[in-house]
Amino acid sequence: DAMVIQNPRYQVTQFGKPVTLSCSQTLNHNVMYWYQQKSSQAPKLLFHYYDKDFNNEADTPDNFQSRRPNTSFCFLDIRSPGLGDAAMYLCATSRPDGDNSPLHFGNGTRLTVT
Amino acid sequence: AQTVTQSQPEMSVQEAETVTLSCTYDTSESDYYLFWYKQPPSRQMILVIRQEAYKQQNATENRFSVNFQKAAKSFSLKISDSQLGDAAMYFCAYRSPPGKGNDMRFGAGTRLTVKP
Repeated sequence: DAMVIQNPRYQVTQFGKPVTLSCSQTLNHNVMYWYQQKSSQAPKLLFHYYDKDFNNEADTPDNFQSRRPNTSFCFLDIRSPGLGDAAMYLCATSRPDGDNSPLHFGNGTRLTVT
Repeated sequence: AQTVTQSQPEMSVQEAETVTLSCTYDTSESDYYLFWYKQPPSRQMILVIRQEAYKQQNATENRFSVNFQKAAKSFSLKISDSQLGDAAMYFCAYRSPPGKGNDMRFGAGTRLTVKP
């Protein structure tokens, strides 16, 4: 089945130790998103790619970076995780705008910072 | 930036009854897309229903329907014949119009409890 896959499902890292979260998709969608979701809050958009065009949200901390080496894969790098970065990180994909294409979400990676 | 507001942090409904979840949004655009997503506990976010702003007719998907009031910038979700499996967080979402970006923004969510 075509899907969005996030690995790992759970990630524990130490304060200040770089960590990378990964996302892959078999939907061949042009657009890929990274959201941060803290407990009982709305998913907050960090950035998204339209093909290789990177779109960073104005309030996304510099600590967060992303890479998209090809259509299928996208990575979220947190250079120096702080305790406040503990959250669920959601990856999603969609077809480009111009239709009402919904987002297809992965299962998320829950990040714990110790 | 566009904002999405869900004013009901929690709602409850009796099984088989009907419940309406509220959503309002702020935009200066005339063309855009609206969505309701469901997120069960510890599970994946899934699409419930979608609406194009240029369509006057309210979207319907089985037991789920919306009341889209464009002038009022309101987009409520009605769940009829509620089932235990409907218990989840429900998020209202706004997607920017064609040519204005692909970003999708979410409201704070409404936690729906279904009582047997």
